[in-house]
Amino acid sequence: GQNIDQPTEMTATEGAIVQINCTYQTSGFNGLFWYQQHAGEAPTFLSYNVLDGLEEKGRFSSFLSRSKGYSYLLLKELQMKDSASYLCAVKDSNYQLIWGAGTKLIIKP
Amino acid sequence: NAGVTQTPKFRILKIGQSMTLQCTQDMNHNYMYWYRQDPGMGLKLIYYSVGAGITDKGEVPNGYNVSRSTTEDFPLRLELAAPSQTSVYFCASSSPDGQESYGYTFGSGTRLTVV
Repeated sequence: GQNIDQPTEMTATEGAIVQINCTYQTSGFNGLFWYQQHAGEAPTFLSYNVLDGLEEKGRFSSFLSRSKGYSYLLLKELQMKDSASYLCAVKDSNYQLIWGAGTKLIIKP
Repeated sequence: NAGVTQTPKFRILKIGQSMTLQCTQDMNHNYMYWYRQDPGMGLKLIYYSVGAGITDKGEVPNGYNVSRSTTEDFPLRLELAAPSQTSVYFCASSSPDGQESYGYTFGSGTRLTVV
């Protein structure tokens, strides 16, 4: 079966750095996405990785290792508004997105 | 640019009733999707469409139907609502593969309760 694993919940302090991990087992791989979802709202696109390595976008970076079936999202200089769920999703060999259950990130002052 | 517009935002249905969730996008995207999101679970694909006149089943299609008569509109029909269909429904759209850096654009969601 296809599976995407993320921690259920993480807590971090305002101004700090946090790394959210994602491991996947899918039938084929055509890219990995990270989305942010605030409570009661729709997911919004954060990043896309298809090649190994690190992609940086401002305070957010995403890393991919295809051989290990592993990705992480790195959030720097955490702000209270970063409190949200972070969803990892992988596009499989049929170009369908398989979604993780999401990691709820709690930021404390 | 409105993006992806979903209506209604909230709805309570009685068991056995039917309803249509509306979804419209103004980005000229070919691909459109319907997902449901249950608490603590990942998004599950119900139906998707790669263009007007073309639809296909996703992971959890039972109890739902869709149509795609235009590029802009992709309504989701619930027939004979059941408590198991209580969920938050999201419509999304995207450009064809090759423009992945833009990701999917989601509507604001419909919170449906079946009682």
